[in-house]
Amino acid sequence: GNSVTQMEGPVTLSEEAFLTINCTYTATGYPSLFWYVQYPGEGLQLLLKATKADDKGSNKGFEATYRKETTSFHLEKGSVQVSDSAVYFCALKNDYKLSFGAGTTVTVRA
Amino acid sequence: DAGVIQSPRHEVTEMGQEVTLRCKPISGHNSLFWYRQTMMRGLELLIYFNNNVPIDDSGMPEDRFSAKMPNASFSTLKIQPSEPRDSAVYFCASSLSGDRSNQPQHFGDGTRLSIL
Repeated sequence: GNSVTQMEGPVTLSEEAFLTINCTYTATGYPSLFWYVQYPGEGLQLLLKATKADDKGSNKGFEATYRKETTSFHLEKGSVQVSDSAVYFCALKNDYKLSFGAGTTVTVRA
Repeated sequence: DAGVIQSPRHEVTEMGQEVTLRCKPISGHNSLFWYRQTMMRGLELLIYFNNNVPIDDSGMPEDRFSAKMPNASFSTLKIQPSEPRDSAVYFCASSLSGDRSNQPQHFGDGTRLSIL
């Protein structure tokens, strides 16, 4: 079956620090991989995606590379801001089914 | 562009009452999904519609839950009778060609449901 494992939080950082959230997956076939972000009281917003091996998704300074050899899709940002405080979800999509990780809460302090 | 629109944003009601959650998908999207989010279980897919037809309802908890999609621009999720354990945030999502792995799902802001 399909499953996603992401690093447990919470993660607390200072502004301008480097952020990494690890995500690994188990899947059959050729899934697409996504990162979603959820701000307090809001729905999930698509942050970035990668649809095949070695693809790099990027948006708003965040990046993640689809690594088939290590079954990973780690999220990185070089310099975080207070406004990046949110819950981040790694997700895998096979056919119509999205499988989510448990979410990682990130808090950035000024 | 309008995203997925859900109503109400918050609902508080007493146990045993009927609850109806509403969703308007993004125009042109032919796939619609209902999810439930709780601290204990995370995000769970309840039901998936493609071209207004329910394709997978295996995530619907029990007969108290029902969902309809009478047309391409509207869907409802109904709970009758409601129970305190139904308290959660319910999300609607839509996508183009939902059965294609590379198409992302776009989420609404959710309905926060509290059953007293």
